[in-house]
Amino acid sequence: EIVLTQSPGTLSLSPGERATLSCRTSQSVSSSYLVWYQQKPGQAPRLLIYGASSRASGIPDRFSGSGSGTDFTLTISRLEPEDFAVYYCQYYGNSLLTFGGGTKVEIK
Amino acid sequence: EVQLVQSGAEVKKPGESLKISCKGSGYSFSTSWIGWVRQMPGKGLEWMGFIYPGDADTRYSPSFQGQVTISADKSITTAYLQWSSLKASDTAVYYCARLGYCSRGTCYAFDAWGQGTMVTVSS
Repeated sequence: EIVLTQSPGTLSLSPGERATLSCRTSQSVSSSYLVWYQQKPGQAPRLLIYGASSRASGIPDRFSGSGSGTDFTLTISRLEPEDFAVYYCQYYGNSLLTFGGGTKVEIK
Repeated sequence: EVQLVQSGAEVKKPGESLKISCKGSGYSFSTSWIGWVRQMPGKGLEWMGFIYPGDADTRYSPSFQGQVTISADKSITTAYLQWSSLKASDTAVYYCARLGYCSRGTCYAFDAWGQGTMVTVSS
């Protein structure tokens, strides 16, 4: 079973700053099935990035995803007030779906 | 518009049974996988399993196999998650979600989510 490790656990930044979130997989995976979600308090998660680097419908272009093999990154180029939330990576393979533990992006 | 509407919050006692629901609309319910995700209080997301309503093919996370049952009734476009004997540790928010992003025949990303059902198990 593939394990996804996200770091850091918490990222304290100011609006306008750049956020870089990491998702590391326990073995090399296909980037085609690597996904990122955003979750705000009291809300369901929202799909941000699919296929490691493609933005989902309606997602602003300040969000970008990259990576391959075992190392994947979600970048928010300039944080807007509404971007402070928890972010999860997720992978699907061999009929199993796994989430990372999440990174909380909080206001500094 | 794709919509998933879940049943309301539940308060149960340990040992009781429960079945919660998720009604889909705005898309072909029979031909999209529906998954269930648990979120315990203050914790992250955990995949429980999913079902293909068209033929009832069901896959479970090893962590939840035997602990819950996932089913669907395509005639009323509704998926279900049920427990036969609840425990206090089942207290959580449960989300249903459509596995709507597919690549090369493999569907792998949840593109639409229900609003969540809060289940509280307490004596």
